Amino acid sequence: AQKVTQAQTEISVVEKEDVTLDCVYETRDTTYYLFWYKQPPSGELVFLIRRNSFDEQNEISGRYSWNFQKSTSSFNFTITASQVVDSAVYFCALTYDNYGQNFVFGPGTRLSVLP
Amino acid sequence: NAGVTQTPKFQVLKTGQSMTLQCAQDMNHNSMYWYRQDPGMGLRLIYYSASEGTTDKGEVPNGYNVSRLNKREFSLRLESAAPSQTSVYFCASGLGKAAYNEQFFGPGTRLTVL
Repeated sequence: AQKVTQAQTEISVVEKEDVTLDCVYETRDTTYYLFWYKQPPSGELVFLIRRNSFDEQNEISGRYSWNFQKSTSSFNFTITASQVVDSAVYFCALTYDNYGQNFVFGPGTRLSVLP
Repeated sequence: NAGVTQTPKFQVLKTGQSMTLQCAQDMNHNSMYWYRQDPGMGLRLIYYSASEGTTDKGEVPNGYNVSRLNKREFSLRLESAAPSQTSVYFCASGLGKAAYNEQFFGPGTRLTVL
């Protein structure tokens, strides 16, 4: 069975702090894709990143970085120098089939960045 | 280019009433999806359509039906609404091929069943 765990239900940080959101996944497939989505207070889901199982390179995009480690089945997301606009619910997701028909989402982590 | 649109944005129903949630995408995507989002549970897949003319059940299909009207439109119907169906419903679309299969989401429909 496929499963995504986000153990942190809620996190609060003060602006400019760094924060890491944890994501641990379970799958028996050797080919799979991992995603992060952001859901700001307005409610829409915004795609942030996709990573396939064969690419363990870490990725950095501005203040965002992702650490993918197959050895620990983790795909963690770090926000550097957090800002109030980063306040949102963040979802980690996994899909394992060729046509992405079976997205499995984690329960989400609510991040509050306080001024 | 509107992306994925959903109507209505809000709806209140009484138990037993029926309604259809509409979804349309203008990105020429093959696959479309319906999810529900409940507090603390992330998003759960209700139904999906891999391509025009096909639909399949997801994780939580009971109490729902879907229609893939054409490539652009994918509707979700509640035949007899129940309070357990109070949720936020998201429609999504995607190319449906492994290398490009991030999903693009609509703004959501907040449904309350009394």
